[in-house]
Amino acid sequence: DAKTTQPPSMDCAEGRAANLPCNHSTISGNEYVYWYRQIHSQGPQYIIHGLKNNETNEMASLIITEDRKSSTLILPHATLRDTAVYYCIVRYLRGAGNKLTFGGGTRVLVKP
Amino acid sequence: EPEVTQTPSHQVTQMGQEVILRCVPISNHLYFYWYRQILGQKVEFLVSFYNNEISEKSEIFDDQFSVERPDGSNFTLKIRSTKLEDSAMYFCASTLGQRDTEAFFGQGTRLTVV
Repeated sequence: DAKTTQPPSMDCAEGRAANLPCNHSTISGNEYVYWYRQIHSQGPQYIIHGLKNNETNEMASLIITEDRKSSTLILPHATLRDTAVYYCIVRYLRGAGNKLTFGGGTRVLVKP
Repeated sequence: EPEVTQTPSHQVTQMGQEVILRCVPISNHLYFYWYRQILGQKVEFLVSFYNNEISEKSEIFDDQFSVERPDGSNFTLKIRSTKLEDSAMYFCASTLGQRDTEAFFGQGTRLTVV
């Protein structure tokens, strides 16, 4: 699975949009971009995923550049409960199952 | 909303003792996983399990570890002879299918080996 690079930490103001970047310059054509988050040592929680088109769900939006070498997770209106470590993961959906390879992630602190 | 449940939430054991960590995956899911997270470190994949056999394992998952699905609902991780370095949060996860996009994680078991 392709390696990802994320900033180690970032702050965000409550009520504002949080834009979390991720670089995955070695991504291959059939690898997906996934985002999970982990709130204070709880189990990781799925947020969103995409292949090449932008995606949106009730939690967030995912913007993938045209060359797919980077992406941005957008939390449209950050709340204090969004304080967490956010992981960008690139992976195949291969037959061996759903193994996720976590990196260091971005520690997001939402401030009032 | 369906959830993965893990018991106990915290277990303390003496070095050299056997421990069994228990998980109840989401009822219609077919693929099961264990991950661990040593304090302050990354979440690491241990093993995946499907159709009553291991489908993939990491190099962390050595002979001291085993997994089992003893009945239709439980999924267990056994550590035969615990070491101090096994102290970590252990997360169970499940997915509906092999190409399923969303893995559901439990809240974890904090294992402390003393």
